[in-house]
Amino acid sequence: SQKIEQNSEALNIQEGKTATLTCNYTNYSPAYLQWYRQDPGRGPVFLLLIRENEKEKRKERLKVTFDTTLKQSLFHITASQPADSATYLCALQGVLYNTDKLIFGTGTRLQVFP
Amino acid sequence: KAGVTQTPRYLIKTRGQQVTLSCSPISGHRSVSWYQQTPGQGLQFLFEYFSETQRNKGNFPGRFSGRQFSNSRSEMNVSTLELGDSALYLCASSLGVMDNQPQHFGDGTRLSIL
Repeated sequence: SQKIEQNSEALNIQEGKTATLTCNYTNYSPAYLQWYRQDPGRGPVFLLLIRENEKEKRKERLKVTFDTTLKQSLFHITASQPADSATYLCALQGVLYNTDKLIFGTGTRLQVFP
Repeated sequence: KAGVTQTPRYLIKTRGQQVTLSCSPISGHRSVSWYQQTPGQGLQFLFEYFSETQRNKGNFPGRFSGRQFSNSRSEMNVSTLELGDSALYLCASSLGVMDNQPQHFGDGTRLSIL
C-alpha cells in the first residue's frame, strides 16, 4: 500500500540553525508534493508545492527538494526562529492509480529553542 | 477574505448517535475536502466534493457521508457513532479540484464520543 514516512520523533534545534525535515514515500509516484505547517488546535496551513519535474523550490527562509529517484523530499528552514516551532506535514498527490486524493504523512514536530 | 469556517468547534456525543458537521469554504472556492485527524493515524482523507458532486472518497465505512450545496458549503454526517470516531475533523477548500491546488484548512471540529 502507499506509505508516507516522516520522522515521528520531534526535532529540536537551536535558534539560528537550519532545520531539515524528511519525507519518504513508497509504492507511489506522486505528481505533486506539498508541505504544510500545523500549530496545536489549528488546521494545517499551506507552505509550498513542488512538482515532480522540479528539483527545488524556495520561499523566503523555506526550501523544498524533491528527489523522485530516492522517493524523498527534504524541507529546510534556514535561520530558524522559536516562532517556527510547529508540526510540519508533507502531502503527496498523484493522478495515477485511479486516484488524485491528497495523502498526508503523520508529521514531524519541530521545536526551536532560544 | 474570510477563511474556511467550520462549525461547531467542539462537540460531545455518545455512542450510537449521529452528528452533522458544517463547513463554509473560502468565497469562490468550489472544491471542499474532509479529513479525519487522530494522533495514531494522522490526517486521513474522507471525501472531496466539487460542484455538488463527490469526486473522491477515502477508505471509510458508509457511516461517513457528505454533501455539498450549490453555494459550495458542505456538510458531513456520521451515523451510529463509535468510540473510535473521536477525532479532529478538518475541512479544506480550494479553487478547483485537488490537482495542483493548495488546500486551505479550517480549524476543525473536535468530536468526542463518550
